[in-house]
Amino acid sequence: DARVTQTPRHKVTEMGQEVTMRCQPILGHNTVFWYRQTMMQGLELLAYFRNRAPLDDSGMPKDRFSAEMPDATLATLKIQPSEPRDSAVYFCASGPDSLKDVRLAKETQYFGPGTRLLVL
Amino acid sequence: KQEVTQIPAALSVPEGENLVLNCSFTDSAIYNLQWFRQDPGKGLTSLLLIQSSQREQTSGRLNASLDKSSGRSTLYIAASQPGDSATYLCAVIFGNEKLTFGTGTRLTIIP
Repeated sequence: DARVTQTPRHKVTEMGQEVTMRCQPILGHNTVFWYRQTMMQGLELLAYFRNRAPLDDSGMPKDRFSAEMPDATLATLKIQPSEPRDSAVYFCASGPDSLKDVRLAKETQYFGPGTRLLVL
Repeated sequence: KQEVTQIPAALSVPEGENLVLNCSFTDSAIYNLQWFRQDPGKGLTSLLLIQSSQREQTSGRLNASLDKSSGRSTLYIAASQPGDSATYLCAVIFGNEKLTFGTGTRLTIIP
């Protein structure tokens, strides 16, 4: 049963520290998404990759956030320096096709379990 | 601005009843609309996807409808069960390929 995996599952850090979150998409999926979920803002799309190239990162604060895909099996989201307002659950999702071309629910995004980040 | 709204934010229903969850969106130029389920502490699971040319999709006890002209979608759950308790989110791919999620409706089925 193929799944998206994320590490770490939980992270507590102090303000100013660097945080790196990792995601392993489902093998064969060519789209990868990073989301942030908070009680106040709900679920926000931060970045969207297709075939490892960033297609849209307009939802991501560029001054401190960066997202990369060093290879097809690894996506990273980095925050440097971290701030208390970055505390949230960060989800990675992968999919087999571009969002606008999917035809079935099962072809859409598969979400990882999330990384719960707390910045003190 | 492209927005997706879900009202109410929370809903409690006795087991066995049928129920409807609502989703509204501000721009009728969409590619598709999806309904997701999120259990506490977990990621999202896709339930149904409706293309912009479709009016509804069904999966088991779930039926999702889409009315683009009015900017509305509903998720109908028949014969609700305690296992249906979760947060349900709708997400819209707008014409500019932007994916926007609603804030969700937290559903509780009372045994």
